[in-house]
Amino acid sequence: GAGVSQSPRYKVTKRGQDVALRCDPISGHVSLYWYRQALGQGPEFLTYFNYEAQQDKSGLPNDRFSAERPEGSISTLTIQRTEQRDSAMYRCASSMSGPQETQYFGPGTRLLVL
Amino acid sequence: AQSVTQPDIHITVSEGASLELRCNYSYGATPYLFWYVQSPGQGLQLLLKYFSGDTLVQGIKGFEAEFKRSQSSFNLRKPSVHWSDAAEYFCAVVFSGGYNKLIFGAGTRLAVHP
Repeated sequence: GAGVSQSPRYKVTKRGQDVALRCDPISGHVSLYWYRQALGQGPEFLTYFNYEAQQDKSGLPNDRFSAERPEGSISTLTIQRTEQRDSAMYRCASSMSGPQETQYFGPGTRLLVL
Repeated sequence: AQSVTQPDIHITVSEGASLELRCNYSYGATPYLFWYVQSPGQGLQLLLKYFSGDTLVQGIKGFEAEFKRSQSSFNLRKPSVHWSDAAEYFCAVVFSGGYNKLIFGAGTRLAVHP
């Protein structure tokens, strides 16, 4: 079966531009997570959805970052007015409901802000 | 603060040698514990997880991990390493009340010499 997919896989943008990163979770997974991974570091939590409800956005670094999952399936992470420090790998994961459930990760989107 | 520590940034072993990767988490109620592996250019793949019960858990690819409550540790082991095990390994924790978000360690990069 299909795993978690993310698009684009690579994104190069100029400072000040807006970018939208897409995540398509595994069918039937109610939970969806966004993480950001800097080079040489572990992934860092950004936000979490249960169905369409954004239940935790404590990891979003500032108000330039937002995420949505309007129909409880595909999610979009948007970064407005990008800055060079936003350059990182952005990873999406999905799971069934519950903390013991395995989170399945997508391949990530590598964002480079020039 | 809730945190996960992987003390070893890089480890090099010879093929066929045994391996132990260390992981410690900040004190608290027993969390849910995970080990993920990330191969170059790949996403994160779950090796094994622990929630309760037997403190020695078996995973894929011949890996195992042991939970030690007294040491707040969850070390990953493999009796005989193969060249294909060269990758980056991440310990991750879901703390209670954490909305299922994974807190990752910084990772340990494993190199395998022939």
